[in-house]
Amino acid sequence: AQSVTQLGSHVSVSEGALVLLRCNYSSSVPPYLFWYVQYPNQGLQLLLKYTSAATLVKGINGFEAEFKKSETSFHLTKPSAHMSDAAEYFCAVSGQGAQKLVFGQGTRLTINP
Amino acid sequence: DAMVIQNPRYQVTQFGKPVTLSCSQTLNHNVMYWYQQKSSQAPKLLFHYYDKDFNNEADTPDNFQSRRPNTSFCFLDIRSPGLGDAAMYLCATGRLAGGHEQFFGPGTRLTVL
Repeated sequence: AQSVTQLGSHVSVSEGALVLLRCNYSSSVPPYLFWYVQYPNQGLQLLLKYTSAATLVKGINGFEAEFKKSETSFHLTKPSAHMSDAAEYFCAVSGQGAQKLVFGQGTRLTINP
Repeated sequence: DAMVIQNPRYQVTQFGKPVTLSCSQTLNHNVMYWYQQKSSQAPKLLFHYYDKDFNNEADTPDNFQSRRPNTSFCFLDIRSPGLGDAAMYLCATGRLAGGHEQFFGPGTRLTVL
């Protein structure tokens, strides 16, 4: 069985500050991990994914995430927040042979000017 | 560009009046998914097709049906919409190979009057 926990349903940072969105997972098999972003009234867009290659994964829009097996974590970071980063972010997990994703509950990111 | 297309983007229906939402893809993926997403919640998987094989989630109400006439198209039918069915409906596609990422359409916002 697999599950995802996103710590913090709402994160607020100042423009130019570090963005850190937390994701912890549980998986009985080696996981594939994903971060998606959703803007208002839009579908989900893939930011980045971990598929057992490099543990530090770089994605679009300056985001990156680090897979830490010992901590069962896959936190999303961006060094300097931009106003356009304001959105809902979802962490998701799947496993080898799985046809489905398991989503976390989401984190709403607000950027303060 | 290869993409997932959903029509219409906004749909208004009356209580109890059947409605059909449409999804098409140019990615030639063998898996297609339908999700329901309510405000400030993660997407909830309703069902998915692996090629022609239909896979229903255990808690999907019988009121929701789906058809996949060919690889490119998939439909969501809501037989008798209730007020509680008002939501964003997201279509996604994926492949079993690789990292199991899913590609999402822009969604259809359903309003039930």
